[in-house]
Amino acid sequence: DGGITQSPKYLFRKEGQNVTLSCEQNLNHDAMYWYRQDPGQGLRLIYYSQIVNDFQKGDIAEGYSVSREKKESFPLTVTSAQKNPTAFYLCASSKQGPPEQFFGPGTRLTVL
Amino acid sequence: SQQGEEDPQALSIQEGENATMNCSYKTSINNLQWYRQNSGRGLVHLILIRSNEREKHSGRLRVTLDTSKKSSSLLITASRAADTASYFCAPYTYNQGGKLIFGQGTELSVKP
Repeated sequence: DGGITQSPKYLFRKEGQNVTLSCEQNLNHDAMYWYRQDPGQGLRLIYYSQIVNDFQKGDIAEGYSVSREKKESFPLTVTSAQKNPTAFYLCASSKQGPPEQFFGPGTRLTVL
Repeated sequence: SQQGEEDPQALSIQEGENATMNCSYKTSINNLQWYRQNSGRGLVHLILIRSNEREKHSGRLRVTLDTSKKSSSLLITASRAADTASYFCAPYTYNQGGKLIFGQGTELSVKP
């Protein structure tokens, strides 16, 4: 089955720790995106990548880092510099051209 | 980048009734998408309407676009409890390079 997967579904982190959220897609999409969603809020773009080995900051990139070494994978690291990382994180992918995005199931990160 | 603003923020109806949500945006667009998000899940693409289209249907969904008023509406007919979700619009212009900007959405509750 084609799709986009995120792991883990739930993640708990102690303050001061870095954590990495996984996002994998087998849709052969060139573009991938990371969003953050806070309760009752819309999605805010963290980072996006249009092609392998290239990525751009979104609206709220501070305290986050990404890599895009493979077309299928776009991991997000939440660093200790992110002041309020507790949120729901969504990964998405799309073909070049049409803007329709396909979303993963999300990872809920809680900082203890 | 273009952001849509959904209205109302919350909508509560009975099963069988129709639900109408609106989206307004500020500048000219090439197309506009609607997405649904069930609680705790990723977004699912519902429909895309191009700027030269005025109305589009998909099953029980009807989307209209009025470019002169810079607004779109999503109508769900004969709603079901399973339609309970948040709905987001995403207006798009080609110079956004694939990025979508999401508003806070409309939270629809359909009571059985």
